[in-house]
Amino acid sequence: KAGVTQTPRYLIKTRGQQVTLSCSPISGHRSVSWYQQTPGQGLQFLFEYFSETQRNKGNFPGRFSGRQFSNSRSEMNVSTLELGDSALYLCASNPTGGKDTQYFGPGTRLTVL
Amino acid sequence: GENVEQHPSTLSVQEGDSAVIKCTYSDSASNYFPWYKQELGKGPQLIIDIRSNVGEKKDQRIAVTLNKTAKHFSLHITETQPEDSAVYFCAASMTGGFKTIFGAGTRLFVKA
Repeated sequence: KAGVTQTPRYLIKTRGQQVTLSCSPISGHRSVSWYQQTPGQGLQFLFEYFSETQRNKGNFPGRFSGRQFSNSRSEMNVSTLELGDSALYLCASNPTGGKDTQYFGPGTRLTVL
Repeated sequence: GENVEQHPSTLSVQEGDSAVIKCTYSDSASNYFPWYKQELGKGPQLIIDIRSNVGEKKDQRIAVTLNKTAKHFSLHITETQPEDSAVYFCAASMTGGFKTIFGAGTRLFVKA
């Protein structure tokens, strides 16, 4: 099976812009979670989607949003970008969500100038 | 709130030595504890996991132990090799099970 894919791999934006990141889970996986990884804060949970519904959300401002499509592909959007949003954004999928193993993609490296 | 603490933040060992990384968690309802290895430029990859009905699990040179009473779990790597050099994350699935809380990571250096 193909692994989790994320596009684009690298992105450079300026403050105030918005960005959309895409994640394609492993075939058959219905749960997609998003994480922000920074050197200072480690891996922080953004949100999790299952069957097109957001089931859980981390402690991030409303500028961070996401959605999931009927084919389980997911997108996350960050509006009004700030310098502090520079990070590696990781997507992880698993069959059902919750206690099952998560499989991570390679991430999208976002740099905000 | 929910929290996973991981120590040490950096660990340097000689090739062939053992490495031990320890984590503690706060939510006693947690019952799934995976460990991930992240190499430069890649996403975290699962290397071993343990569930709360098991005290220890081994996979070749890697083992994980769990003490539910003390709420801590550890990763043991024996006969370390240079390719073991990476950042290791512990994690715990909390109540409700729909999100995973990660430790801050341990950067392991294995010196040849």
